[in-house]
Amino acid sequence: EIVLTQSPGTLSLSPGERATLSCRASQSVSSSYLAWYQQKPGQAPRLLIYGASSRATGIPDRFSGSGSGTDFTLTISRLEPEDFAVYYCQQYGSSSLIFFGGGTKVEIK
Amino acid sequence: EVQLVESGGGLVQPGRSLRLSCAASGFTFDDYAMHWVRQAPGKGLEWVSGISWNSGSIGYADSVKGRFTISRDNAKNSLYLQMNSLRAEDTALYYCAKGRAILTGYSHPFDYWGQGTLVTVSS
Repeated sequence: EIVLTQSPGTLSLSPGERATLSCRASQSVSSSYLAWYQQKPGQAPRLLIYGASSRATGIPDRFSGSGSGTDFTLTISRLEPEDFAVYYCQQYGSSSLIFFGGGTKVEIK
Repeated sequence: EVQLVESGGGLVQPGRSLRLSCAASGFTFDDYAMHWVRQAPGKGLEWVSGISWNSGSIGYADSVKGRFTISRDNAKNSLYLQMNSLRAEDTALYYCAKGRAILTGYSHPFDYWGQGTLVTVSS
């Protein structure tokens, strides 16, 4: 079982600032099979990043993903008002199981 | 436009059963893996189960293995989750989600999600 630990639990920032979210895996994630999702209150999650660094269809280029092995990062270069939400990382592909991290809430400071 | 519409949720007593359905449209259903993901009230996401495009590959989270069964009917563009021996900790919003990759196993990211159906397990 892979455990994904996201930090920080809550990130308090202002619009226009840069957000850096971390996802650390308990063991190496094969072939960077790591995705990021955004979830707003009352809505289903939305895929942002897959393969650690590839943006999903329609995702603005202010969202970027990086990392490999056990350490991954989601960066939002300049926060827009609609970016305040909860973000989850997900591991897939390397086994028969799929895991999500506990989430990071990005809130308005 | 891809649409995933879940149904079948409700209030059920511990130990009883429930069957969830997901009706899919807007894409070639039998080309893609499908999944169930749940979210307990105020909590994070938990993958429940996944099934490949041809039902040849199926997986379950340890928390539901032996109690839940995923299946699909490609002729009806529908995904199902049979939930038996329900427990209070199964209370959650259950989402149906579409796998991103075509004609492969089920372990890929999820590019479309439904709005969920709420399952409450309580006496």
